Amino acid sequence: GDSVTQMEGPVTLSEEAFLTINCTYTATGYPSLFWYVQYPGEGLQLLLKATKADDKGSNKGFEATYRKETTSFHLEKGSVQVSDSAVYFCALSTNTGGFKTIFGAGTRLFVKA
Amino acid sequence: EAGVVQSPRYKIIEKKQPVAFWCNPISGHNTLYWYRQNLGQGPELLIRYENEEAVDDSQLPKDRFSAERLKGVDSTLKIQPAELGDSAVYLCASSLGDSGGANEQYFGPGTRLTVT
Repeated sequence: GDSVTQMEGPVTLSEEAFLTINCTYTATGYPSLFWYVQYPGEGLQLLLKATKADDKGSNKGFEATYRKETTSFHLEKGSVQVSDSAVYFCALSTNTGGFKTIFGAGTRLFVKA
Repeated sequence: EAGVVQSPRYKIIEKKQPVAFWCNPISGHNTLYWYRQNLGQGPELLIRYENEEAVDDSQLPKDRFSAERLKGVDSTLKIQPAELGDSAVYLCASSLGDSGGANEQYFGPGTRLTVT
């Protein structure tokens, strides 16, 4: 069945370090891919998305590219800040064979000053 | 613009008791979702509404869970009777249709349920 796998956390980085959080997916058809972020004490909010192969989503310095050949949607940021500390969720949505939206387990990021 | 509103934020009940959660989506959003999020995991879809119609409830444990969205606006999710394993955060989200899955979902803050 369809699934999303993302790297386990927690990930601990120093401020200004480079961030990569890996996400791979399994899906029939052509899903849309998302990264959601959950800051402490808040609800999930969309960080970025890509709806077709080779699309790059970007927001707040974060980027992710929809790679169909590797079924991946890795999240990257060149220089993290303490305020980026949060839980990051990779997700897919598709309407192929019936609507599905599937989230990964989440990756907690801690950024130290 | 007001976000998705959920209440209560926290609920503690004893097993076998009933419990209900309420959600008011963003105005104009015709699609509403209920998710359950267990500790350390991502949200899992329970039910999805298009207006007042439940179009996907395949993951809803219908022996004890029920939901309604009268008039296609706010929604209630109920558990009766609750079991220990129902302890989780229950999330409500809404979107402007699902557009084949491409539309952004807007999440509420969730209701944290503890069953003792």
